Amino acid sequence: EVQLVESGGGLIQPGGSLRLSCAASGFTVSSNYMSWVRQAPGKGLEWVSVIYSGDRTYYADSVKGRFTISRDNSKNTLFLQMNSLRAEDTALYYCARGRIHLPYFDYWGQGTLVTVSS
Amino acid sequence: DIQMTQSPSSLSASVGDRVTITCQASQDISNYLNWYQQKPGKAPKLLIYDASNLETGVPSRFSGSGSGTDFTFTISSLQPEDIATYYCQHYDNLLRVTFGPGTKVDIK
Repeated sequence: EVQLVESGGGLIQPGGSLRLSCAASGFTVSSNYMSWVRQAPGKGLEWVSVIYSGDRTYYADSVKGRFTISRDNSKNTLFLQMNSLRAEDTALYYCARGRIHLPYFDYWGQGTLVTVSS
Repeated sequence: DIQMTQSPSSLSASVGDRVTITCQASQDISNYLNWYQQKPGKAPKLLIYDASNLETGVPSRFSGSGSGTDFTFTISSLQPEDIATYYCQHYDNLLRVTFGPGTKVDIK
């Protein structure tokens, strides 16, 4: 059974850093398109970042230069390193699995909440 | 960058009604368009991929159509369990993703 379990969220001051984790089971993260998608309270979905074949990575303009996506194949885990956090980064962060190498998000985690506030 | 718009932003319909949501891209995106359902407090669920393909296990009352810049998502007969927000999602040739702003559907 495919499962995605996010962790690492919390309350952080503006300018701070957090590292989110997404532990996967039932498949291997190295074999699939993997993304982070966030949702600010009461708002819509916003794509954040992707990692896929050959460790190719892309980022939304809103996080480029501040966030880094990576994966540890030995731990079957996806990460999102978030630096220079801003109030507007406050959101529920989901990791999502693509259908092999395509961004059809067929499995999602339950999300981890990041709150950026002083 | 390609912009995605959805209309309406919200709608109320009766059980059994036909519900239609449109998604428009700012330029031709072929059929690179997926649809998701998100119920309150839950993660999104993939319903339709590549504009018109029904995801396995999704009821046949859901359908999608369109190509180019204009896309339609339809619920043929609205059920109480369909109360949710629906999002279109585009992906480009680098597999970067853009979500539409969402359409909230509730029961009249």
